[in-house]
Amino acid sequence: AQSVAQPEDQVNVAEGNPLTVKCTYSVSGNPYLFWYVQYPNRGLQFLLKYITGDNLVKGSYGFEAEFNKSQTSFHLKKPSALVSDSALYFCALGGDYGGATNKLIFGTGTLLAVQP
Amino acid sequence: SQTIHQWPATLVQPVGSPLSLECTVEGTSNPNLYWYRQAAGRGLQLLFYSVGIGQISSEVPQNLSASRPQDRQFILSSKKLLLSDSGFYLCAWSRDSEIYGYTFGSGTRLTVV
Repeated sequence: AQSVAQPEDQVNVAEGNPLTVKCTYSVSGNPYLFWYVQYPNRGLQFLLKYITGDNLVKGSYGFEAEFNKSQTSFHLKKPSALVSDSALYFCALGGDYGGATNKLIFGTGTLLAVQP
Repeated sequence: SQTIHQWPATLVQPVGSPLSLECTVEGTSNPNLYWYRQAAGRGLQLLFYSVGIGQISSEVPQNLSASRPQDRQFILSSKKLLLSDSGFYLCAWSRDSEIYGYTFGSGTRLTVV
């Protein structure tokens, strides 16, 4: 069965330091992977996606993610964290399931807290 | 460009009262539409999704229902609200969601008192 996991409920990082938010997945076919960010009392905003091609994907607000097929991971990264990056981050999985499901599978979310 | 509108932004309703939340999409046709609930500011629970007018799939048995009376309109309803219906409700649309992902509305904060 397809699944996506975010092993950390919360990640704390000091402003200016690099950040990583982890995501792993399980899928029988080709994975399509997404990262979304949610600020308090707002809808989710798309950050970036991996469909095919270069394993390093660049997205909005200076974020990037690295697709690693052997480790079945798609970790979100940023070289230098800002206090304004503090938010809830969701990893999501679409994919070639051998039939159109029209649904993404979302992780449980990771709260990123950037301290000044 | 495509836009998604969701209203109201906040709602306080007494237990036992009815509910109607509306979501509309502009700038596209035949979108896939979704209702999610987010409790306690964390995980997303898919409530309903629709691939066409009058086609509703329910993911979780509950006190809520959904309808799609028009191609770009998706309505979440309840006849009698429960305290447990409180939460943050999100509407989303997609086309080929596995490839393009979702676009979310701004959400409705529902508090049942």
